[in-house]
Amino acid sequence: DGGITQSPKYLFRKEGQNVTLSCEQNLNHDAMYWYRQDPGQGLRLIYYSQIVNDFQKGDIAEGYSVSREKKESFPLTVTSAQKNPTAFYLCASNREFANTGELFFGEGSRLTVL
Amino acid sequence: AQTVTQSQPEMSVQEAETVTLSCTYDTSESDYYLFWYKQPPSRQMILVIRQEAYKQQNATENRFSVNFQKAAKSFSLKISDSQLGDAAMYFCAYRSAKSGGGADGLTFGKGTHLIIQP
Repeated sequence: DGGITQSPKYLFRKEGQNVTLSCEQNLNHDAMYWYRQDPGQGLRLIYYSQIVNDFQKGDIAEGYSVSREKKESFPLTVTSAQKNPTAFYLCASNREFANTGELFFGEGSRLTVL
Repeated sequence: AQTVTQSQPEMSVQEAETVTLSCTYDTSESDYYLFWYKQPPSRQMILVIRQEAYKQQNATENRFSVNFQKAAKSFSLKISDSQLGDAAMYFCAYRSAKSGGGADGLTFGKGTHLIIQP
């Protein structure tokens, strides 16, 4: 089945540690996105990538980093510079060509800082 | 920058009744897409319905329909014959259709929590 796989589903981190959230898709989509979800805040864009080896900052990129070495993969690293990393993180890809249409989402990763 | 506003943090409806969720947006563009997503307790985001701004006809998907008022920049979601499985967070979202304009994905509202009373 085609889809987006995020792992791990739940992750705990101690303060000062970097953690990496995985996002893999087998939909052959070019564009991929990372969103952060907090209660009462909706979804906010962290980073996005239109093609391999290229990515752009979203609205809340500070304290996060990404890479896009393969079309299928778009991992997100939450660094120690992110002051409030506890949140739900959603990865998405573009369902249609040329930045049109809806996004297709993974099941999300819940990060908790201890 | 575009903004999406959902003014109802929470709505409650009796099973089998009809409920309408509100959404307004602000944009200077004339060509765009609007979406409603559902996020059940599993947290998976599921597309409910989609509307292209150039289409005057309101989109429908089974029990779900929209009232798209372009001049008023309003995009409400009507759920008919509400079912227990409709209980979820509902997010309204906007995307530019301008060439290159939609590269940064969707802009979301803050969501409406829909409760279905049995």
